[in-house]
Amino acid sequence: KQEVTQIPAALSVPEGENLVLNCSFTDSAIYNLQWFRQDPGKGLTSLLLIQSSQREQTSGRLNASLDKSSGRSTLYIAASQPGDSATYLCAVPSAGSYQLTFGKGTKLSVIP
Amino acid sequence: ETGVTQTPRHLVMGMTNKKSLKCEQHLGHNAMYWYKQSAKKPLELMFVYNFKEQTENNSVPSRFSPECPNSSHLFLHLHTLQPEDSALYLCASSPLLGTQETQYFGPGTRLLVL
Repeated sequence: KQEVTQIPAALSVPEGENLVLNCSFTDSAIYNLQWFRQDPGKGLTSLLLIQSSQREQTSGRLNASLDKSSGRSTLYIAASQPGDSATYLCAVPSAGSYQLTFGKGTKLSVIP
Repeated sequence: ETGVTQTPRHLVMGMTNKKSLKCEQHLGHNAMYWYKQSAKKPLELMFVYNFKEQTENNSVPSRFSPECPNSSHLFLHLHTLQPEDSALYLCASSPLLGTQETQYFGPGTRLLVL
């Protein structure tokens, strides 16, 4: 059974700092990995989908990397802004399944 | 706006009540999902519908009853719930059912069972 772990559970940084969020998964037979953002009291917004054949995916100030063999992904946020404050979730489908397994998320606070 | 709407946004109900949650997607998608998000737990997939047919029920108690009358609408009927069912219920949709499909989420219904 796939398990997804995100560390740290919470992170507070001053505005302008670069930061890295971590995600690890137990079953490396994945097709892709997604990073989502969730604002308080709201649904999830997909940020990046990185295919298993890719090592990186970029969107603006966000860069996601995937190391399938070690079961790890990182989400790099450059020049953080207060508007980046949210909970960041990673999710993976297991081999042969379309079901997504989610981590518990990292709650990010960017202090002005 | 993701193109997925949910109503109501907040709901308080007693254990003997019957209520329904509604989800509507305006994206032309064919797969729809119900998720439960409890405090300090990962999102849990509850039900999956593909072209109006239920394809997945992840051992959800029968007090939760889904309904998908067409590819654009999804309901979750609730009856005789327990306080531990209090959570954020999220609806999502995707163009097709598959591992390569990004899911688009609604804002959720915050449910409190007293």
